[in-house]
Amino acid sequence: NAGVTQTPKFQVLKTGQSMTLQCAQDMNHEYMSWYRQDPGMGLRLIHYSVGAGITDQGEVPNGYNVSRSTTEDFPLRLLSAAPSQTSVYFCASRTGGEVKAFFGQGTRLTVV
Amino acid sequence: KQEVTQIPAALSVPEGENLVLNCSFTDSAIYNLQWFRQDPGKGLTSLLLIQSSQREQTSGRLNASLDKSSGRSTLYIAASQPGDSATYLCAVPSGGSNYKLTFGKGTLLTMNP
Repeated sequence: NAGVTQTPKFQVLKTGQSMTLQCAQDMNHEYMSWYRQDPGMGLRLIHYSVGAGITDQGEVPNGYNVSRSTTEDFPLRLLSAAPSQTSVYFCASRTGGEVKAFFGQGTRLTVV
Repeated sequence: KQEVTQIPAALSVPEGENLVLNCSFTDSAIYNLQWFRQDPGKGLTSLLLIQSSQREQTSGRLNASLDKSSGRSTLYIAASQPGDSATYLCAVPSGGSNYKLTFGKGTLLTMNP
């Protein structure tokens, strides 16, 4: 029972580089989302998806792209990394109804 | 826009005490409220979820209450233990949906031996 799996756990990028943060869940959850956590700011929603093929923007979407081709996977793409994107990124999933959200262990990203 | 506030931001208490952590939210039209625990360098673990129709939810030494009309929730931790040291976060759905969460900034709890 893996739950929500994020890879990599740590990453250092140079400004301007691109990369994809991976998120996979094995619970057949419809809803998946990406948050970033910054000191003093709490967790903020980047993008979310309510099912395969359906995505939408959250509170802080600029500089990030997402797609959802399968129920299991919800990758987050940084198009051109900036130092302001240094953060800890969390992927979450849940099913419909009033049930708990499950979070991955996070990806700590540093952009230099 | 939904805003979630947690007070205090940090709390240091001796082991064995009963604790109350507070969470307030500005928009009372919520579907539910969820309390999470986050250990340093780790992800979030869901502790309790209170549905909008409930006033309380209990799990072991944890009890969470919800007062929608006043926009408040409290997390009560009974007989605190060293392993309770962590950051506790509350979150509510926002934007009229049940899957976009707005989080408070958390309360950092440190247990003193």
